[in-house]
Amino acid sequence: EVQLVESGGGLVEPGGSLRLSCAASDFTFSKAWMNWVRQAPGKGLEWVGRVKSKSDGGATDYAAPVKGRSTISRDDSTTTLFLQVDSLRIEDTAVYYCAMDLYYGGAFDIWGQGTLVTVSS
Amino acid sequence: QSVLTQPPSASGTPGQRVTISCSGSSSNIGSNSVFWYQQLPGTAPKVLIYKNNQRPSGVPDRFSGSKSGTSASLAISGLGSEDEADYYCATWDDNLSGYVFGAGTKVTVL
Repeated sequence: EVQLVESGGGLVEPGGSLRLSCAASDFTFSKAWMNWVRQAPGKGLEWVGRVKSKSDGGATDYAAPVKGRSTISRDDSTTTLFLQVDSLRIEDTAVYYCAMDLYYGGAFDIWGQGTLVTVSS
Repeated sequence: QSVLTQPPSASGTPGQRVTISCSGSSSNIGSNSVFWYQQLPGTAPKVLIYKNNQRPSGVPDRFSGSKSGTSASLAISGLGSEDEADYYCATWDDNLSGYVFGAGTKVTVL
C-alpha cells in the first residue's frame, strides 16, 4: 500500500529548529516530486514547499512565510523526505503533512497522517 | 490572506445542491489547473477534483468541478450528512512560484 508517514513533531521553543521526516513506501520515491503542507490549529491548508525528483533537477521551492529559514531535502536511498525549519516562530505551530501527486495530474492524492509541531515557550 | 477567495461557509438541506466558488487571478486559476480537496474533521485532506473537472477513482459523481477564466467552482449534488467537511480549492501560482490554497469553505448539512 502506498504510504507516507511523518515523524519528528513536538514542542519547540521560539527561535529553535525542527527537522521532520516523511517515510515513503510502495511507490517509486525517486521519481516523485514531494511536498510539505501545514495546517495551523483551526486554520486552513498552507503549502510549505516542495522538492523535485533528482531526474527533474532536484530543485526546491518554498512558500514566502518559510523561505530563507527552511530546507526541504530527500534521501532516495531510504525513501525519506525531510523538512528543516530554523528560527521557529509561534505562527509555525501547525500539523505538518507530506503530500505528493502520484496518480492524478498535479493533485496531492497521497497524504501522510500529519505530525504536530507546537512552537511555544 | 489567500490569493484564492472562497466563501467561509455554505449550507444546504439533505438532497440539495451546494456550490462553492473559488476566485483567483490570471497568474493562478487563469493559467493553471484547479484542484479541490475535502477535509473531514481530524483527517488529512482528500482530493475530490483534479485538472478542473476530473474526478479520481472512487469519488462519487455527486461532486463536479468547473472553471471559467479566473474562477472555479465545486458543486455537490444530493447533499448528505457525510458531506459535512471543509473544502479547499488549490492551484499553482506563477507569480508566487508556489502552490496556493483557498482559505476553505465549511459545508454544513442543515
